[in-house]
Amino acid sequence: AQSVTQLDSHVSVSEGTPVLLRCNYSSSYSPSLFWYVQHPNKGLQLLLKYTSAATLVKGINGFEAEFKKSETSFHLTKPSAHMSDAAEYFCVVSDRAGGSYIPTFGRGTSLIVHP
Amino acid sequence: EPEVTQTPSHQVTQMGQEVILRCVPISNHLYFYWYRQILGQKVEFLVSFYNNEISEKSEIFDDQFSVERPDGSNFTLKIRSTKLEDSAMYFCASRAGESTDTQYFGPGTRLTVL
Repeated sequence: AQSVTQLDSHVSVSEGTPVLLRCNYSSSYSPSLFWYVQHPNKGLQLLLKYTSAATLVKGINGFEAEFKKSETSFHLTKPSAHMSDAAEYFCVVSDRAGGSYIPTFGRGTSLIVHP
Repeated sequence: EPEVTQTPSHQVTQMGQEVILRCVPISNHLYFYWYRQILGQKVEFLVSFYNNEISEKSEIFDDQFSVERPDGSNFTLKIRSTKLEDSAMYFCASRAGESTDTQYFGPGTRLTVL
């Protein structure tokens, strides 16, 4: 079975400061992990994904995430927040258990960026 | 860059009415999905579709729901008799093939049942 926990429902930062969105996962198999972003009234956009290659994954818009198996974490970071980063962020796990590709979504973290 | 499209962006309907939500997956993708997101809640899997048949479905996907790929491009979700609790954002997604588990999502259709 797979599950994902996003530890913060809301994260508030000032523009220009670092962003950290936390995600922990549980999986019986080697998982694939994803971060998606959802801007208001928009669909889900893929930010980045981890699929057993390099543990530090770089995505779009300056975001990156590090897969840490020992901590079962896949936290999303960005060195400097921009106003346009304000959105809902979803951590997603997919472990292909039984040949299934059905992913499990976290509850989401709302990123608020103050000027 | 190819993308998944969905129509309409917003659908308002009366309880008990049938609705059809439409999706055009990325061309040449083989796997198709529907998800829903009730306001303020998690994105939930509804159904997956491959080779013209349902491959997996969740408990949410009961007899009131059906999916169809009527032609080579469209992928539809039908709700036969809508209930108030069907109000949600419905997302379509597609995946290229067996070698990848990355799904690409459409912009969603917001369904409001009155």
